[in-house]
Amino acid sequence: NAGVTQTPKFQVLKTGQSMTLQCAQDMNHEYMSWYRQDPGMGLRLIHYSVGAGITDQGEVPNGYNVSRSTTEDFPLRLLSAAPSQTSVYFCASSPSDGRSYTFGSGTRLTVV
Amino acid sequence: ELKVEQNPLFLSMQEGKNYTIYCNYSTTSDRLYWYRQDPGKSLESLFVLLSNGAVKQEGRLMASLDTKARLSTLHITAAVHDLSATYFCAVDDAGGTSYGKLTFGQGTILTVHP
Repeated sequence: NAGVTQTPKFQVLKTGQSMTLQCAQDMNHEYMSWYRQDPGMGLRLIHYSVGAGITDQGEVPNGYNVSRSTTEDFPLRLLSAAPSQTSVYFCASSPSDGRSYTFGSGTRLTVV
Repeated sequence: ELKVEQNPLFLSMQEGKNYTIYCNYSTTSDRLYWYRQDPGKSLESLFVLLSNGAVKQEGRLMASLDTKARLSTLHITAAVHDLSATYFCAVDDAGGTSYGKLTFGQGTILTVHP
């Protein structure tokens, strides 16, 4: 089992560029979520999904879009990158009973 | 809005000593998670606490949950250098089931000195 796979691991973007961070899980988990981690602030929820076709906003959704067309995939789109989006991004998946959350290895994004 | 607060945020310990990290949260929840993160790495699950009074132990770490006090503790016994890392608590604020989202504390940076 690969668990939760995030790609790419590192990315440098110029201000105004767009890109998609990929997240895939092979555990048949119903729930998936995206977080960003900034120094001294822990992890903050960006968007989450409780199933295919269902998404909702978290604490810091501005500048990000998500969609969930399959159970396995939950991509995060940056529409027009800004330096404030420089961060480490983590994707997580969990079963509907919440007995575990599995995190991907993260994507380190720098916007210049 | 759910708030999760950890203290201390920085903890410098001597090897062999004991200490406790506290995690307070602002809503009623019986789902609390502890994670460890090493520099540049992802989050490693340590404990999942899913009911009031839950206590779990693994090696030198023990976690407990008091849902009435809205408090979880992570106790470190006889610290060793390998425990140096950042520790996070996180709360899933659903009651009885999960919402599939976590609210994290700020993290506690633990450094264990010889």
